[in-house]
Amino acid sequence: GAVVSQHPSWVICKSGTSVKIECRSLDFQATTMFWYRQFPKQSLMLMATSNEGSKATYEQGVEKDKFLINHASLTLSTLTVTSAHPEDSSFYICSARSPGGTNQPQHFGDGTRLSIL
Amino acid sequence: GNSVTQMEGPVTLSEEAFLTINCTYTATGYPSLFWYVQYPGEGLQLLLKATKADDKGSNKGFEATYRKETTSFHLEKGSVQVSDSAVYFCALTSQSSGDKLTFGTGTRLAVRP
Repeated sequence: GAVVSQHPSWVICKSGTSVKIECRSLDFQATTMFWYRQFPKQSLMLMATSNEGSKATYEQGVEKDKFLINHASLTLSTLTVTSAHPEDSSFYICSARSPGGTNQPQHFGDGTRLSIL
Repeated sequence: GNSVTQMEGPVTLSEEAFLTINCTYTATGYPSLFWYVQYPGEGLQLLLKATKADDKGSNKGFEATYRKETTSFHLEKGSVQVSDSAVYFCALTSQSSGDKLTFGTGTRLAVRP
């Protein structure tokens, strides 16, 4: 079964709205989670690394004030797209790495399709 | 830095055909290698992995062998099914990159009945 749950799976909202996406690891504790963005027919682009109990690490070119990340517990990370605009429309995917070191795989959520009107 | 190169898609095959999707990598140190699959409208699922040279990952009839001498991790399946139609991503992680996954561009596979 799924080990990472992402919610919601689909969001349609008006421009200017803030949207929160949740990512939960269901059967393991994840000190590190990752947020990706995927454009149609393209690979995943890492946006940020979410660290439990500390600030997220953002990739170059990603606005941290636009994409707020909170990792308040070992099983939950949230991404909030603030004041979303049509250009923020995309497929957002989270992942959590299995415990045991960097050779362990990341498990991905099913993604959230965000459409800003 | 790390990088992954995958063969360009789309790959279109008839059912029961043999599949190969090439993947080569550049990395410092000793990376771990992964194949992920993405079905339409879904997130990524881990298909198989290999963590050291000469390891063979296998799952659901798919196989890939970690070849350090050729820095490759080609994905193979002896007989594809329509249900295998998806996008396949080769990826790696290494200690030098922390926990970050480096992805290839993905290869779209379409299997015809």
